[in-house]
Amino acid sequence: SSELTQDPAVSVALGQTVKITCQGDSLRYYYVSWYQQKPGQAPVLVIYGKTNRPSGIPDRFSGSGSGSTASLTITGAQAEDEADYYCQSRDRTSNQRVAFGGGTKLTVL
Amino acid sequence: QVQLVESGGGVVQPGGSLTLSCAASGFTFTSFPIHWVRQAPGKGLEWVAVMPTDGINTDYADSVKGRFTISRDTSKNTLYLHLNNLRPEDTAVYYCARVRGGSDWFLDLWGRGTRVSVSS
Repeated sequence: SSELTQDPAVSVALGQTVKITCQGDSLRYYYVSWYQQKPGQAPVLVIYGKTNRPSGIPDRFSGSGSGSTASLTITGAQAEDEADYYCQSRDRTSNQRVAFGGGTKLTVL
Repeated sequence: QVQLVESGGGVVQPGGSLTLSCAASGFTFTSFPIHWVRQAPGKGLEWVAVMPTDGINTDYADSVKGRFTISRDTSKNTLYLHLNNLRPEDTAVYYCARVRGGSDWFLDLWGRGTRVSVSS
């Protein structure tokens, strides 16, 4: 079972702001990363080190968090943001293992 | 071009074997840990295995330990995942992904995946 917990589904009206959360004890010790996955495609990194955006990722994506909770915020959601979002951190049992959240399906209305 | 390309997927019967490949280009792949991650149909991401930079201290998820083996050919810049004694629950798209970062590492580069279907 996943060490990181996410809400299975979230919806947002076009142009509005949405926050996707991730909870887990490992987040007290390690920064979270976030991945976007569209149907039939590989995951794409959108946030790393809790708050950093890779080049090419729109600035409407931002990350935050404290304690055992991390959040991915999309400010002014666009239709193309509809996707599954996964949080990830290091697994607490091993410095090599990956822990993923169960994923959140974002629907843009 | 910096990329990872998986291949080798297919349909196999329960108990069968398969070898997946992950070809790296545009970077020195022995300088980065590389993971295998899978995704069963309609499900989330599941970590499978890791090849560290030393090529020795590999690690596996409990669900595949003893059945899957990870290896690499540095002359070909290619990582392999050998799947043995396959089960229907191993049916998934298998991705390889590169690690970046220090203690708070992340997966910055993913391949497109290769599909494995275990069915009689």
